[in-house]
Amino acid sequence: GAVVSQHPSWVICKSGTSVKIECRSLDFQATTMFWYRQFPKQSLMLMATSNEGSKATYEQGVEKDKFLINHASLTLSTLTVTSAHPEDSSFYICSAGIYGEQYFGPGTRLTVT
Amino acid sequence: RKEVEQDPGPFNVPEGATVAFNCTYSNSASQSFFWYRQDCRKEPKLLMSVYSSGNEDGRFTAQLNRASQYISLLIRDSKLSDSATYLCVVNVPNSGYALNFGKGTSLLVTP
Repeated sequence: GAVVSQHPSWVICKSGTSVKIECRSLDFQATTMFWYRQFPKQSLMLMATSNEGSKATYEQGVEKDKFLINHASLTLSTLTVTSAHPEDSSFYICSAGIYGEQYFGPGTRLTVT
Repeated sequence: RKEVEQDPGPFNVPEGATVAFNCTYSNSASQSFFWYRQDCRKEPKLLMSVYSSGNEDGRFTAQLNRASQYISLLIRDSKLSDSATYLCVVNVPNSGYALNFGKGTSLLVTP
């Protein structure tokens, strides 16, 4: 099956710093990738749709200036959490679709202290 | 109203039991339906797609009722390894592959 990787798998950072999370489709090309966020005991919530070569589409309530998305190639999308705060601590998961199925990365656990 | 609603559980059942999970969705334009399994601190993994005619995969049976916007998952002969959170998932219409996730139903199978 298709494989999606994420890096890093976990990160701890201080409040006010920026964190970049990478999402890669390893064995297929993805013109569209998705970024989700999951708080403890909550469902995955779609944050944004990352489009290769164009601007990302953000869901209502997600600040585009805070969560910067870059999809510069068909196999890589990055999410940068700028000026992170403790309330941004969460599990961030990316996904990419191919052949009608959605494949998820292993997730990145972000803790902001 | 949430897009996808599930009973959060937890469901505690003994090995060998049959357990059923239910889910409702709000957007009648949704066309694709899935059950995902998520283990603690892991990404969700596709368990099975759900088709209008109902479908079965081993011990797992999924049903879809479009008229009532209702999806179900039945697990027969529960195994200890079935312990996980089961996510009801529905596509976001006109979005490509974007998905709406339910909050998940927690299942614990005990010896």
